[in-house]
Amino acid sequence: DAMVIQNPRYQVTQFGKPVTLSCSQTLNHNVMYWYQQKSSQAPKLLFHYYDKDFNNEADTPDNFQSRRPNTSFCFLDIRSPGLGDAAMYLCATSRPSGGRDLAGWHTQYFGPGTRLTVL
Amino acid sequence: GQQVMQIPQYQHVQEGEDFTTYCNSSTTLSNIQWYKQRPGGHPVFLIQLVKSGEVKKQKRLTFQFGEAKKNSSLHITATQTTDVGTYFCAGGGAGSYQLTFGKGTKLSVIP
Repeated sequence: DAMVIQNPRYQVTQFGKPVTLSCSQTLNHNVMYWYQQKSSQAPKLLFHYYDKDFNNEADTPDNFQSRRPNTSFCFLDIRSPGLGDAAMYLCATSRPSGGRDLAGWHTQYFGPGTRLTVL
Repeated sequence: GQQVMQIPQYQHVQEGEDFTTYCNSSTTLSNIQWYKQRPGGHPVFLIQLVKSGEVKKQKRLTFQFGEAKKNSSLHITATQTTDVGTYFCAGGGAGSYQLTFGKGTKLSVIP
């Protein structure tokens, strides 16, 4: 089945130790997003790729980086995780389908998330 | 920038009671979507509304999009324990494929 896959599902790292989270998709969607979600909060968009074009949110800390080597894969790198970076990290995809108001333009498909613990 | 407010933040209902969550945007939206996140899970797309005044139903769930395309609601009739979770609205602006999420309404259903 076509889907969005995130690995690992749970990641434990030490304070300051770089960590990479992985997302892959079989949907062939143009856009891949990374969200941070803390407990009882809405997902917060960190950045996204439209094809190879990277779009960073203004308030995303420099500590967070992303790579998209091809259509299927996208990585989130946290260079020096702090205690405040402990959260669920959600990857999502969408396929803007030409024409701004067509149904499906914005629908996002989320992966299961990676829960990051920082010790 | 665009802001999407959602109320209430929490709702506890007795099984069988109805439930409604409301969403308001600071700007006119091109579309609004609703997602459900079960405890420990990830957001799952429920529905998208794009037309002014649109009403869509999915079994016991009724979704509405306001005439001005700035507000929306989700109503669940006769809640069941399987309805437990957090319901998020997410608004899309014209010409943008990004979504602005509301803070969500966490629904608890007491058996």
